[in-house]
Amino acid sequence: DQQVKQNSPSLSVQEGRISILNCDYTNSMFDYFLWYKKYPAEGPTFLISISSIKDKNEDGRFTVFLNKSAKHLSLHIVPSQPGDSAVYFCAASPNNNDMRFGAGTRLTVKP
Amino acid sequence: DAGVIQSPRHEVTEMGQEVTLRCKPISGHNSLFWYRQTMMRGLELLIYFNNNVPIDDSGMPEDRFSAKMPNASFSTLKIQPSEPRDSAVYFCASAGGGSMTGELFFGEGSRLTVL
Repeated sequence: DQQVKQNSPSLSVQEGRISILNCDYTNSMFDYFLWYKKYPAEGPTFLISISSIKDKNEDGRFTVFLNKSAKHLSLHIVPSQPGDSAVYFCAASPNNNDMRFGAGTRLTVKP
Repeated sequence: DAGVIQSPRHEVTEMGQEVTLRCKPISGHNSLFWYRQTMMRGLELLIYFNNNVPIDDSGMPEDRFSAKMPNASFSTLKIQPSEPRDSAVYFCASAGGGSMTGELFFGEGSRLTVL
């Protein structure tokens, strides 16, 4: 039962352009939403988060948008850089503990 | 500060053998999670502990899998007997109770190959 879904397994963008990664969820009890970034042979690392009381959170080149009515969130990276190439996981939690992850989207930023 | 430490980093074993994966969480963190990463399903939550107590093990695939946390600084995930379909990367993660965002800190993973 995939409560968090990332329907695009891969995304390729040109350096300097915007990358938009999407995520949908089904559990209306989710209160916290996070994005993690994973490089090969490493564990995922936290990137940015948003709580359900907000609809946008920005940190430098990274912005996360949350649409609770649509149960949808997205991560925008602008401008995209080759070093951003990684697998991005969307995650959601109802209580800061039971965190569920999507299947991931592999982002490739071409120079 | 040391992060989450997992061992072994790589394990190759034969079907039917017992496999034990180990995890040392970040000191002071009171939640510990075991995830499995596969191509098809991404990161699946297997089990998590709060203050050394298992809270939710509904993600454990079957009785061949078991996890323990005998103290705040150590956890094991055991597969007995192992099967080829168990081949995956297993991640351990920990979190501190004071985190408002629920950020998890992951280890580097244990890559398991069952032949």
